[in-house]
Amino acid sequence: EAGVAQSPRYKIIEKRQSVAFWCNPISGHATLYWYQQILGQGPKLLIQFQNNGVVDDSQLPKDRFSAERLKGVDSTLKIQPAKLEDSAVYLCASSLVGSVPGGTQYFGPGTRLLVL
Amino acid sequence: GEDVEQSLFLSVREGDSSVINCTYTDSSSTYLYWYKQEPGAGLQLLTYIFSNMDMKQDQRLTVLLNKKDKHLSLRIADTQTGDSAIYFCAGGLEGQNFVFGPGTRLSVLP
Repeated sequence: EAGVAQSPRYKIIEKRQSVAFWCNPISGHATLYWYQQILGQGPKLLIQFQNNGVVDDSQLPKDRFSAERLKGVDSTLKIQPAKLEDSAVYLCASSLVGSVPGGTQYFGPGTRLLVL
Repeated sequence: GEDVEQSLFLSVREGDSSVINCTYTDSSSTYLYWYKQEPGAGLQLLTYIFSNMDMKQDQRLTVLLNKKDKHLSLRIADTQTGDSAIYFCAGGLEGQNFVFGPGTRLSVLP
């Protein structure tokens, strides 16, 4: 079974530039998550989708971050404009709601973003 | 909201047992999880425990849950150098409201 795919793996940009990350979840997984993992910390949930609807985006900085999942499969996360403090690894995860244990998440390798 | 705490570092000798501890504040989590993260990689699910269980054993891994004290632990028997990684505990409520701890960096010395 193919895992969660993410691209790019690495990205270096200057502050105030824009950047986009892409995620392809495990086939059949209805739930998709984006996390931000700052160096030395645990992942922090940014947004959670159920199919193409948003379940939780309470910690998404909406003035600069946006995410979409148009057809309930792939998702993109965008930052515009980027700030220095956005330097982090952005992790995508997916889960199959209704399975046991409920909603266990499977993670992609992440995109490492460096903002200069 | 949920707050999850872990000790940040643990160092053990190869062949010894490792015990990684986690405390949490929200007792409504349905499941509690342990994830492993190796350098430059995403998180890998190691094991999980349902909130109405006290213990779960899975090969070298033993998870203990003390709901009264809101304490979760992961014991790795016969720790190997390949077990060196960061271990995260996390709680969730049926696939929502996931909160991760800061991670415990396990170093296995030869």
